[in-house]
Amino acid sequence: AQSVAQPEDQVNVAEGNPLTVKCTYSVSGNPYLFWYVQYPNRGLQFLLKYITGDNLVKGSYGFEAEFNKSQTSFHLKKPSALVSDSALYFCAVRVSGNTPLVFGKGTRLSVIA
Amino acid sequence: EAQVTQNPRYLITVTGKKLTVTCSQNMNHEYMSWYRQDPGLGLRQIYYSMNVEVTDKGDVPEGYKVSRKEKRNFPLILESPSPNQTSLYFCASSFGGSRGRYTFGSGTRLTVV
Repeated sequence: AQSVAQPEDQVNVAEGNPLTVKCTYSVSGNPYLFWYVQYPNRGLQFLLKYITGDNLVKGSYGFEAEFNKSQTSFHLKKPSALVSDSALYFCAVRVSGNTPLVFGKGTRLSVIA
Repeated sequence: EAQVTQNPRYLITVTGKKLTVTCSQNMNHEYMSWYRQDPGLGLRQIYYSMNVEVTDKGDVPEGYKVSRKEKRNFPLILESPSPNQTSLYFCASSFGGSRGRYTFGSGTRLTVV
C-alpha cells in the first residue's frame, strides 16, 4: 500500500529565507507525486506535481519540488519565503491504475516577518 | 468557472438525524472522492468513485454512504451521524487516471452533538 510521511508538523522560517517542507513516500511502482496548500477556511489548492521527466518541478507561487527516487523523497522548496506563504501544506502520492490519492498528515508553515 | 461545489459549508446536527452533504463538479471529471480532515490525522479518504455507478470504499468508510447516479454529483450520506463524525469534509474530483490533479471543494464543517 502506498503511504506518505511528512516528518515535520511545523516549520518556521523568517521572511526572505529559503524554505523546505519535507516529504517521503512509499509505493509499489512508479509514483505520481503532488503538493497541495490549504489556507485557513479554504479547500486544498494544487501547487505542483511530478509525473515523469525532469526531477525538478516548478509550480505555482514560486514553489518547486525535487523528486529523488533513491531517497524516495519529494521535498517542497522556495528560494525566498513570504509571510503570505504561511499555510498548511500536504504532500500526496498516487500510482497508476486509478488508485486513490493518499495524503500525508500535513506540515504547517509559518513565515515570520 | 471550473469548480467543485459543496453544500452546506457549515452544519450542526444531532446524533442520529440523517443528513446529506452534496457535491457537484462542472468539469466532466470521471473521478470523485470524499475526504475527512481531522487535526493530526491529515486527510483520510472515505469513499471514491471512478465513474457513474462505480463507487468504492476508502480508508474510513464506516458510517457513511455515497451514490454516483450522474457524473457531476457525488453526495455523502450519513444515515445516523455520531459525534465521532464531527469533522471537516472535502469533496474532490479529477479526470480519470492517476496523473490528474484533484480539484477540491471549499469544505463542509460538520458538528454532531
